[in-house]
Amino acid sequence: AQSVTQLDSQVPVFEEAPVELRCNYSSSVSVYLFWYVQYPNQGLQLLLKYLSGSTLVKGINGFEAEFNKSQTSFHLRKPSVHISDTAEYFCAVSVTTSGTYKYIFGTGTRLKVLA
Amino acid sequence: GAVVSQHPSRVICKSGTSVKIECRSLDFQATTMFWYRQFPKKSLMLMATSNEGSKATYEQGVEKDKFLINHASLTLSTLTVTSAHPEDSSFYICSAVGVLAQETQYFGPGTRLLVL
Repeated sequence: AQSVTQLDSQVPVFEEAPVELRCNYSSSVSVYLFWYVQYPNQGLQLLLKYLSGSTLVKGINGFEAEFNKSQTSFHLRKPSVHISDTAEYFCAVSVTTSGTYKYIFGTGTRLKVLA
Repeated sequence: GAVVSQHPSRVICKSGTSVKIECRSLDFQATTMFWYRQFPKKSLMLMATSNEGSKATYEQGVEKDKFLINHASLTLSTLTVTSAHPEDSSFYICSAVGVLAQETQYFGPGTRLLVL
């Protein structure tokens, strides 16, 4: 069965420092991978996605992620964070079930950017 | 592009009443919409998958008669919480996928339900 693991439930980091949020998945088939951000009391906003092609994916707000098939990882990175990046980040895998794509979410990582 | 709205954003109701939440895809046609529930500081729990013109598919453990889902058009799905109780209080989020990119879900802003 497919699963998504976000090992870090919370990541504190100082403003302008780099950050990496880790995501590992398990799947026996090809997958599509996503990162979403959720600000308090809001829905999820798509940061970036990997469907195929280049393993380095660039997204919005200066984020990027690298798909590593051998390590089954899709870690999210940003070279310099801002206070406004404080939010919950979810990694997700899209899998097909009876012809419908469904998401399997990780448990989320709370990024807290400190001044 | 790919904007999804939800209405209302927040609702307070009395125990025993029913509440309807709307989910609309504003600039694309959504063949499939999903309804999630999110508990405080937790990830999203998929409740059901809604396909236009057909019955919703509910996840295991979700009561079909309590959470009624209707997907009457390619841009609108509704979730009705029937005979709401305090334990139904939660944050409900919908998402939608377009015809051409069915692997990518676009999420609504969520609806905060409080049942007194």
